[in-house]
Amino acid sequence: DVKVTQSSRYLVKRTGEKVFLECVQDMDHENMFWYRQDPGLGLRLIYFSYDVKMKEKGDIPEGYSVSREKKERFSLILESASTNQTSMYLCASSRKGANVLTFGAGSRLTVL
Amino acid sequence: GQQVMQIPQYQHVQEGEDFTTYCNSSTTLSNIQWYKQRPGGHPVFLIQLVKSGEVKKQKRLTFQFGEAKKNSSLHITATQTTDVGTYFCAGSRGSARQLTFGSGTQLTVLP
Repeated sequence: DVKVTQSSRYLVKRTGEKVFLECVQDMDHENMFWYRQDPGLGLRLIYFSYDVKMKEKGDIPEGYSVSREKKERFSLILESASTNQTSMYLCASSRKGANVLTFGAGSRLTVL
Repeated sequence: GQQVMQIPQYQHVQEGEDFTTYCNSSTTLSNIQWYKQRPGGHPVFLIQLVKSGEVKKQKRLTFQFGEAKKNSSLHITATQTTDVGTYFCAGSRGSARQLTFGSGTQLTVLP
């Protein structure tokens, strides 16, 4: 069963901590995405990547960075977590030339 | 930037009633997709519409893409408790591979 796996379902961090959210897909997809989901706001795109070592900013990149050293892995980094980054983070992937997304189960981050 | 508006935000229906959610874009879309997110779950792809005026059906679900390719709707006939969840539309412009999501409609079906 093909899937997108996010390493942590729930995380609790303190303000100022560095946070890593990991995402791995086993579908050999070229495209990978990080969204955050907040009530009433839907899914908002943070960063995306179409290839290894490539990244592009989405709609809300401030306070985040990403890393894609391998095709199957896309990491989201919060350099210094803040309370307004408390959210559900969803990783997704799609194959080359398509934009139908397969999502991971999500990582719920709470920043205290 | 591109905006995709979705209404209503919440909808409660009695089991057996129909349900419709509407999606409107500020710009012309190349395609529109619909996703369903069950409570506690993640969004799952339902369907993609590409052509102007396109209508597709999946059992009790009917999806439409407007003639101007700026709006779309999802209609569920005779809702069941298994339809509970949040329905999102998502659109893209031109050859863009990234999607812009609507805010979602949370459907509650009362037995």
